[in-house]
Amino acid sequence: DGGITQSPKYLFRKEGQNVTLSCEQNLNHDAMYWYRQDPGQGLRLIYYSQIVNDFQKGDIAEGYSVSREKKESFPLTVTSAQKNPTAFYLCASSNPGVRTEAFFGQGTRLTVV
Amino acid sequence: AQKITQTQPGMFVQEKEAVTLDCTYDTSDQSYGLFWYKQPSSGEMIFLIYQGSYDEQNATEGRYSLNFQKARKSANLVISASQLGDSAMYFCAMREYSPSYDKVIFGPGTSLSVIP
Repeated sequence: DGGITQSPKYLFRKEGQNVTLSCEQNLNHDAMYWYRQDPGQGLRLIYYSQIVNDFQKGDIAEGYSVSREKKESFPLTVTSAQKNPTAFYLCASSNPGVRTEAFFGQGTRLTVV
Repeated sequence: AQKITQTQPGMFVQEKEAVTLDCTYDTSDQSYGLFWYKQPSSGEMIFLIYQGSYDEQNATEGRYSLNFQKARKSANLVISASQLGDSAMYFCAMREYSPSYDKVIFGPGTSLSVIP
């Protein structure tokens, strides 16, 4: 089945540690996105990538880093510089153009203690 | 800058009644796409309906329809014959695209509760 896989579903880390969230898609989509969602709030764009080896900052990129070495994969690293990393993280992918919707993974809930 | 506004943090509707969820947006692009997503308590994002900026007719998908008023920059979602399973968060989103730019941004959401 085609889709987007985020792993793990739940992740716990100690404060000060970097952590990498995985996002893999087999939909052959060019564009991929990372969003952060805090309780009761909307999705905020962290980073997005239109093609392999290229990515751009979204609205809240500080404290995060990404890579896009393969079309299928877009991992997100939450660094120790991110002041409030505890949140729900959603990865999405899409074909290019304004007429196509983004498809989402199931999300990773990160808790930093 | 892109911006999506959803002014209703929470809404209640009686089962089998219709409900309208508001969405206004701000963009300087002429070509853009508007989307509505549903997020149940499980956290998954479910795509509901799409409206293109150049589409002359309002989009419909089953019980979902979109009241698109381009001059007012509004794209309200109408859910007819509400069901208990419609209780969820609803997000309005906008996509602007160019070969060097591709952002999909979301509004703050509206929490819909369907009352039996």
